[in-house]
Formats: sequence, structure tokens, C-alpha cells
Amino acid sequence: GQQLNQSPQSMFIQEGEDVSMNCTSSSIFNTWLWYKQDPGEGPVLLIALYKAGELTSNGRLTAQFGITRKDSFLNISASIPSDVGIYFCAGSTSGTYKYIFGTGTRLKVLA
Amino acid sequence: KAGVTQTPRYLIKTRGQQVTLSCSPISGHRSVSWYQQTPGQGLQFLFEYFSETQRNKGNFPGRFSGRQFSNSRSEMNVSTLELGDSALYLCASSLGDRGSDTQYFGPGTRLTVL
Repeated sequence: GQQLNQSPQSMFIQEGEDVSMNCTSSSIFNTWLWYKQDPGEGPVLLIALYKAGELTSNGRLTAQFGITRKDSFLNISASIPSDVGIYFCAGSTSGTYKYIFGTGTRLKVLA
Repeated sequence: KAGVTQTPRYLIKTRGQQVTLSCSPISGHRSVSWYQQTPGQGLQFLFEYFSETQRNKGNFPGRFSGRQFSNSRSEMNVSTLELGDSALYLCASSLGDRGSDTQYFGPGTRLTVL
């Protein structure tokens, strides 16, 4: 099935460190979403982006909609143990009525 | 506002059986999308409904079907279950006006096929 390239695939970091991950697509998107998923649960929406170049923050999280509209980035500052989980990006084009998801970034935080 | 609810949360079936999963969207949301999540394939789009009409469908066999009711609640059905259908089935709701609206997920239904 169709998936977006998301990197890194996984990362171990120390508590307090900053984290960056990104997502790339061969298609242009109108909307980028970032989610976090804990084991056995549904993805929880973190940030929504609607315009190329847009930079949006949600607490310690900051995401950007790439100017080419084919990529997006998520940064987590000063990571804490509860940031552990899998982060997914998702992109959609108006009129397609569907999202394509990234392969996920598994984050592990060492206290 | 209550979030997206899915029932049941867990289901165990045997090969050849059929199953129906239910999803109630956030109040006021008219679009419901269904996704299948497996370790190997990740999150894959199944179909999307808006005002009881299917607007898009993913690359899944005809054994996977869905419908939406006038109150926006949705069901998906899988007939003649196969071992490979074991997955977390996720439902997401959105306003649905733009076609790329923000989606909010439910907790999922974990289906195990034996």
C-alpha cells in the first residue's frame, strides 16, 4: 500500500534532548497532519498544517509545512519520558477524501 | 464534546466468518474514514463516507465493505475472514466539507482471526 517516507525510523534519545523527524512525499499535499500513537490505542492528533511554509506549535512540539508542499517536519524540544511512542505524519490533497500515512518514527526516551 | 467511539474494542473470529465493526463520529462531523493498521503495511486507507455516500475507496478486496447512516454513524464489514485480516481497524471522523479536513481517530477495534 501507499506510504510516505518518514525518517528516522526509530530513535533513542536522552531526556531533555531535542528531536527532529521528517516526512517526504512524491505528491503535493494541501494538508499535513502529525499524530502520536501509544500501543493499542488510536493515533492522537498533535498538529495540523494547512498552508505551505506554515509553522505551528503545540507546547513543546513545532511542525512545519514544507514550501514545496511535498514534505513536513516535526520537532520536539526538551523531550520527556511520556514522549515515548510512535509518531506519524499524514498528507492529503483536497478532493481525494483520504490521507496517506508515513511509515512512522518510533521514539524512545532514556531518563 | 465526546470523541470518536468504536465498538467493539476487541474481537476474535475464525477464518471464513464475517465481522461488523461500528464507529460513531464526533458530534457534527459528517465524514467517516476507515483505516487498517498492521505492523507490515502500516496505516492503509479503506474507504471514506460523507452523507451516506462513499467518496473514495482504497485498494482492498470486495470482502471489505462499509456504509454510513443518516446520523453519520458508520459500519464496516469484512466477509470470509482470512488470517491476514488480523489488524487494528481505525475509524476517523472529520467535518468533511473540504475533503482534506483534519481527522480525529477513535481507539480502534483489534481484530484477531484464528
